[in-house]
Amino acid sequence: NAGVMQNPRHLVRRRGQEARLRCSPMKGHSHVYWYRQLPEEGLKFMVYLQKENIIDESGMPKERFSAEFPKEGPSILRIQQVVRGDSAAYFCASSPPRTGPSGANVLTFGAGSRLTVL
Amino acid sequence: QQPVQSPQAVILREGEDAVINCSSSKALYSVHWYRQKHGEAPVFLMILLKGGEQKGHEKISASFNEKKQQSSLYLTASQLSYSGTYFCGTENVMDSSYKLIFGSGTRLLVRP
Repeated sequence: NAGVMQNPRHLVRRRGQEARLRCSPMKGHSHVYWYRQLPEEGLKFMVYLQKENIIDESGMPKERFSAEFPKEGPSILRIQQVVRGDSAAYFCASSPPRTGPSGANVLTFGAGSRLTVL
Repeated sequence: QQPVQSPQAVILREGEDAVINCSSSKALYSVHWYRQKHGEAPVFLMILLKGGEQKGHEKISASFNEKKQQSSLYLTASQLSYSGTYFCGTENVMDSSYKLIFGSGTRLLVRP
């Protein structure tokens, strides 16, 4: 009964390098969400994905950030050419498939990936 | 679009009560409450779907006033384990993706 698995838990990158964060949703969950949390701040929505489909990316910065959730394998949040301001905890959450426009999807969060940019 | 939480921080003695408020300028479909302990993942507490609905979870309960687009989380007879940051997350009726947008959080510290 594994929960939402995120890796790596901690990642250190130098400015200009790439960061790849992975998220495997809970069994039976087909929706994945990525949130960013700066120290002592709230959870900022980034992107919402289904398998092979981006549903909502309104919270993603226009440049350097991308996300995917392929048919096989984990969801990946990719940050190219990282800058110091990208240092944050990145949380992935998953939810079951929607059965209708109920809007009642409970999110289960992973433990987060903490990115430090030197 | 982000809901507004108040207060930003609360310090309680064990056994005291607290209320955390969450309000939105948008019509809401649902309100979710999560608690996050330092360095850990947010954990789901409860979801409220209907106007005027109230739910309970041991000594933690919540209400949702759909008309006012407000929700309140009630913590009674607080325990040390209640310490953490509480987030409300809202689903906006006009948002076709029904994504969850979180408030900035309320930090709760319960002291012995």
